[in-house]
Amino acid sequence: DAKTTQPPSMDCAEGRAANLPCNHSTISGNEYVYWYRQIHSQGPQYIIHGLKNNETNEMASLIITEDRKSSTLILPHATLRDTAVYYCISHDNFNKFYFGSGTKLNVKP
Amino acid sequence: SAVISQKPSRDICQRGTSLTIQCQVDSQVTMMFWYRQQPGQSLTLIATANQGSEATYESGFVIDKFPISRPNLTFSTLTVSNMSPEDSSIYLCSTEGRDGYTFGSGTRLTVV
Repeated sequence: DAKTTQPPSMDCAEGRAANLPCNHSTISGNEYVYWYRQIHSQGPQYIIHGLKNNETNEMASLIITEDRKSSTLILPHATLRDTAVYYCISHDNFNKFYFGSGTKLNVKP
Repeated sequence: SAVISQKPSRDICQRGTSLTIQCQVDSQVTMMFWYRQQPGQSLTLIATANQGSEATYESGFVIDKFPISRPNLTFSTLTVSNMSPEDSSIYLCSTEGRDGYTFGSGTRLTVV
């Protein structure tokens, strides 16, 4: 079962940073935080993942709190093409991938 | 990361019939997973398929309704049996990749 909670929807102006929060208060020490997004009911697309350090790649940044109970995905300059459902998942190598309800990000011009 | 080819991409089926969905991976993988996504909903895990053993089903899903085959390390099929309109969903396969899971593009099934 999903162990993360996210707001159902968020709006963001085009060109501005989108900050998507995720609560994973029951995360265990060996579980990573993964972020995926799904555009127009296509297959989910990997964005980024991290264990306890902040991470950055070409798509986004991931900020994980020191107690690891929550995290924030940051899209630094949101575009209309970033409109999607974003899923936060806590996962280790022994468990399956369970999706929560995700956050519908609406990027507006 | 592994690349998955899934087919068909969509189909419209009569109730009472069955549809088999195929997923081909471009590399050998140990586990494959099948998900269902009902309209407007998130993804729900149906089962886990390991090569050489029977699939493991999640609560609420049974083998008679969703038989799965895993004949080798690069291929798997999911059959949706005796379909009803409630089975209209997107079905996706996935496997472990370098960065979490990789997903097929999905099969959009409409049962009429």
